[in-house]
Amino acid sequence: QKEVEQNSGPLSVPEGAIASLNCTYSDRGSQSFFWYRQYSGKSPELIMFIYSNGDKEDGRFTAQLNKASQYVSLLIRDSQPSDSATYLCAVTGGGADGLTFGKGTHLIIQP
Amino acid sequence: DAMVIQNPRYQVTQFGKPVTLSCSQTLNHNVMYWYQQKSSQAPKLLFHYYDKDFNNEADTPDNFQSRRPNTSFCFLDIRSPGLGDAAMYLCATSRPPDTQYFGPGTRLTVL
Repeated sequence: QKEVEQNSGPLSVPEGAIASLNCTYSDRGSQSFFWYRQYSGKSPELIMFIYSNGDKEDGRFTAQLNKASQYVSLLIRDSQPSDSATYLCAVTGGGADGLTFGKGTHLIIQP
Repeated sequence: DAMVIQNPRYQVTQFGKPVTLSCSQTLNHNVMYWYQQKSSQAPKLLFHYYDKDFNNEADTPDNFQSRRPNTSFCFLDIRSPGLGDAAMYLCATSRPPDTQYFGPGTRLTVL
């Protein structure tokens, strides 16, 4: 059974610092990796996706993938209070496969 | 402009009373997904349609059914809701291999 593991937190980070979120997955056949942000009571919002080993940067966000270690991470630079949310890591085997989500990490940015 | 629309946003039903949730999309994506997210848990895939082909997850209860009359619409039917079915129901769409986009969700309360 496919599993995605995340530390549930809460992870508390001072405003302006770097927030580091981590995720591991069990299925070596996973092809695509996603980070979603979810505010309380709202639906998930796509932040980043990554398909290849290495780093991918988009503004303040950097996703990192290491397929050999089955590890995905998300770095948020210059953290803002509006970044306070639950961050969901999700993986898929590709194609039309559904997403397998982790339970999410609750991130709190302290002003 | 809303691209994935879910109606209603909030649904209250009685124990055992059938309920239907609706999802529509303006993206012309050929894949539509339904996820269930209970409080403080990860979204869990129930099933998806690839065009007209229905794909049910092995552990989705028989109480949950789905219909896709055309490309734009997909429905989730819960034949006899139990208290354990109270959750946020999320519809997502994609055009593989692109990412999935989520609607705002329908929060279901079962009394």
